[in-house]
Amino acid sequence: GQQVMQIPQYQHVQEGEDFTTYCNSSTTLSNIQWYKQRPGGHPVFLIQLVKSGEVKKQKRLTFQFGEAKKNSSLHITATQTTDVGTYFCAGPVSGGSNYKLTFGKGTLLTVNP
Amino acid sequence: IAGITQAPTSQILAAGRRMTLRCTQDMRHNAMYWYRQDLGLGLRLIHYSNTAGTTGKGEVPDGYSVSRANTDDFPLTLASAVPSQTSVYFCASSSGTGQFFGPGTRLTVL
Repeated sequence: GQQVMQIPQYQHVQEGEDFTTYCNSSTTLSNIQWYKQRPGGHPVFLIQLVKSGEVKKQKRLTFQFGEAKKNSSLHITATQTTDVGTYFCAGPVSGGSNYKLTFGKGTLLTVNP
Repeated sequence: IAGITQAPTSQILAAGRRMTLRCTQDMRHNAMYWYRQDLGLGLRLIHYSNTAGTTGKGEVPDGYSVSRANTDDFPLTLASAVPSQTSVYFCASSSGTGQFFGPGTRLTVL
């Protein structure tokens, strides 16, 4: 079945360093979504990318959707302690409605102040 | 209510007992979902509902049932709980772009 893989599983950085997490799908996606989950919290929707090659920015966060619409990345510039958490990507289930998502296992980011 | 709520916040349950996790949203979203989150396994879809009156099976539906009598409520029932159902359960809703998650229920089955 469809798989969505994320790397790395874990990333520890010093505050101020940059961070990137990568997401790869086994199938072409109609869109890719990114979520953040703080420790002990619930996933929070960050953004959706739809177009091939699309790039979107939210302050220090930059999201990219690959040209083939099978991969995506999230880059954080100059990390802060508030960036700590697990970042998940998710794509619509192949052959299903756009409402159902397959989530990657996430990348846990820790930031040393 | 603002957004999506879940009850209870946490529960310890004896194996074999029946349990219903409640989920209510006030955003009038058509689609609702139940996920379980386990360490190392990420978020796995249990059941979903695209609209009131319809439900569907997700990736890990065995041992769980759902109903969707109206737009706002989407309860998840464990008919006879087993220890492997120990997990954090999240309810979510969507109107098409992004899913919005509740705060979760931490369930321990002993």
